[in-house]
Amino acid sequence: QVQLQESGPGLVKPSETLSLTCSVSGCSITSYYWSWIRQPPGKGLEWIGYIHFSGSTSDNPSLKGRVTFSLDTSKNQVSLKLSSVTAADTAVYFCACGQYDISPFDYWGQGTLVTVSS
Amino acid sequence: IVLTQSPATLSLSPGERAALSCRASQSVSSYLAWYQQKPGQAPRVLIYDASNRASGIPARFSGSGSGTDFTLTISSLEPEDFAVYYCQQGSKWPLTFGGGTKVEIK
Repeated sequence: QVQLQESGPGLVKPSETLSLTCSVSGCSITSYYWSWIRQPPGKGLEWIGYIHFSGSTSDNPSLKGRVTFSLDTSKNQVSLKLSSVTAADTAVYFCACGQYDISPFDYWGQGTLVTVSS
Repeated sequence: IVLTQSPATLSLSPGERAALSCRASQSVSSYLAWYQQKPGQAPRVLIYDASNRASGIPARFSGSGSGTDFTLTISSLEPEDFAVYYCQQGSKWPLTFGGGTKVEIK
């Protein structure tokens, strides 16, 4: 059974870098495409981007190149960094995975709320 | 690609049929998925490739459509089906979601 668990600071100051980790159990992170998706409070879903073990990545142009993804195969973890955050980046952040880069997201973490505030 | 879902809210009673619409700003072929999200939970995939039910999804959920117009149908609403539903396209980068349809108890 594949399980994903996001972790990281719940509060980040404006202009700083948001860093989150997704710990994966039940499968190897070499097996899927790993995406990050966020949801501002009370609003809809926004795809942030993905990373694959092959080195392939893609991110949403709306984030203007502020995103960095990484994989740690020794810990079976996926990470997200979002730089120069503002209040508009306040959201619940989910990690999710699919079999292919365009396939639906079969497994999701429970999500973690990140608030950007001084 | 912009996905427009309608209606924004659907007020129905248990046992009734629900029909949710998702319209794409350009063709997504059949690369469309539907998700259900309950409060405080992550979304879960119901339908992929427009009409294929994901593993473990009850037969009362069905999807149809191709190109720009898609429908998610719930044949007879169960109490646990009252939730928010999102469509998502996998045809073109960036991947995008619709704004959601809330199915609420009338």
